[in-house]
Amino acid sequence: DGGITQSPKYLFRKEGQNVTLSCEQNLNHDAMYWYRQDPGQGLRLIYYSQIVNDFQKGDIAEGYSVSREKKESFPLTVTSAQKNPTAFYLCASTPGLANNEQFFGPGTRLTVL
Amino acid sequence: QKEVEQDPGPLSVPEGAIVSLNCTYSNSAFQYFMWYRQYSRKGPELLMYTYSSGNKEDGRFTAQVDKSSKYISLFIRDSQPSDSATYLCAMRVGNNDMRFGAGTRLTVKP
Repeated sequence: DGGITQSPKYLFRKEGQNVTLSCEQNLNHDAMYWYRQDPGQGLRLIYYSQIVNDFQKGDIAEGYSVSREKKESFPLTVTSAQKNPTAFYLCASTPGLANNEQFFGPGTRLTVL
Repeated sequence: QKEVEQDPGPLSVPEGAIVSLNCTYSNSAFQYFMWYRQYSRKGPELLMYTYSSGNKEDGRFTAQVDKSSKYISLFIRDSQPSDSATYLCAMRVGNNDMRFGAGTRLTVKP
């Protein structure tokens, strides 16, 4: 059963702590993406990766970091430098950058207490 | 001004109604236009995809693109309660980043 998994579904963090969100795909897709979704705003791109060991900043990368050590995995770390981290985080993948159908994971809801 | 504008609603219609969802955009270079559907607390899934101007129909769904007006629409015929979701428009230029609208929350009441 192919798809994208994200864990955990809900995550709570205290201010000043770093936290890592998991994203795994078994679709054999090359490109992976992280978006942030806030009420009243469109999905905003945080980081994307076209290939293993390479990634690029999106529109709102400040306060976030990623790694792409394996094709299947693209974890996102929300650092303490991110001023307003409470949001719904979505991971997506596509076969390549030129593909218009992005396959999304179920999302992680991060709440900072 | 946002690149993509979409009325967040909420929009509530009775079952069987025709629903019209719209987005406007400012970048005339956008070539690819998508509509995604997102159920509550889930990731979006692609509904329709159109290249350049014109209409595309898939069952009860019709996507329209009017590049001269920088306006795209999604029509849902014979709406069902199962269509209740948030609908996101998205667009891109070539291989560049996809730009999403804020999403319109739709409720179809039985």
